[in-house]
Amino acid sequence: EDQVTQSPEALRLQEGESSSLNCSYTVSGLRGLFWYRQDPGKGPEFLFTLYSAGEEKEKERLKATLTKKESFLHITAPKPEDSATYLCAVQGGGGGSNYKLTFGKGTLLTVNP
Amino acid sequence: KAGVTQTPRYLIKTRGQQVTLSCSPISGHRSVSWYQQTPGQGLQFLFEYFSETQRNKGNFPGRFSGRQFSNSRSEMNVSTLELGDSALYLCASSDGSKRNEQFFGPGTRLTVL
Repeated sequence: EDQVTQSPEALRLQEGESSSLNCSYTVSGLRGLFWYRQDPGKGPEFLFTLYSAGEEKEKERLKATLTKKESFLHITAPKPEDSATYLCAVQGGGGGSNYKLTFGKGTLLTVNP
Repeated sequence: KAGVTQTPRYLIKTRGQQVTLSCSPISGHRSVSWYQQTPGQGLQFLFEYFSETQRNKGNFPGRFSGRQFSNSRSEMNVSTLELGDSALYLCASSDGSKRNEQFFGPGTRLTVL
């Protein structure tokens, strides 16, 4: 069974203080690793998909990287509006017919001005 | 391009009742997935439909069911509601390809009294 563990559970930063969020996974045949951002009372907002080890993607102050066992979401010089819960999810092989995403519990990021 | 819409946004039901939730995917998307989100368990996969066929199913009891119509709109039904069914129910749409990038709606907040 696919498993995703995110750490830390919560992270508090000062504006401009860079840091990283971790997503460790166990999956049979990784087909994709997904990062989402979720604000309170809203649905998750798609950020990135990574498909193979060594791949990196960037969007504004966010950069996602992938190894064979984990993914990191690096946040450079964060601003208060980056405060949200960040969710990581994996899609396993499942014989090629699996379209299910398995999510971690998320990291609650708070950026203070 | 309009996003994923879900109706209703909020529902209050009592134990033993049944409920139907609706989801309209992004135009052109043929895959709809449903997830349950609770503070304790996080996001958990319910089922996924593509072109009116259920392709994947999560580990939920048979009280949870769904269907998809020819216009890709989807409904999920929960019968004989229990207190533990109180959650945010999220719908996600994708084009159904192997890339599987899923875009979420705002969710339906279900409260069971």
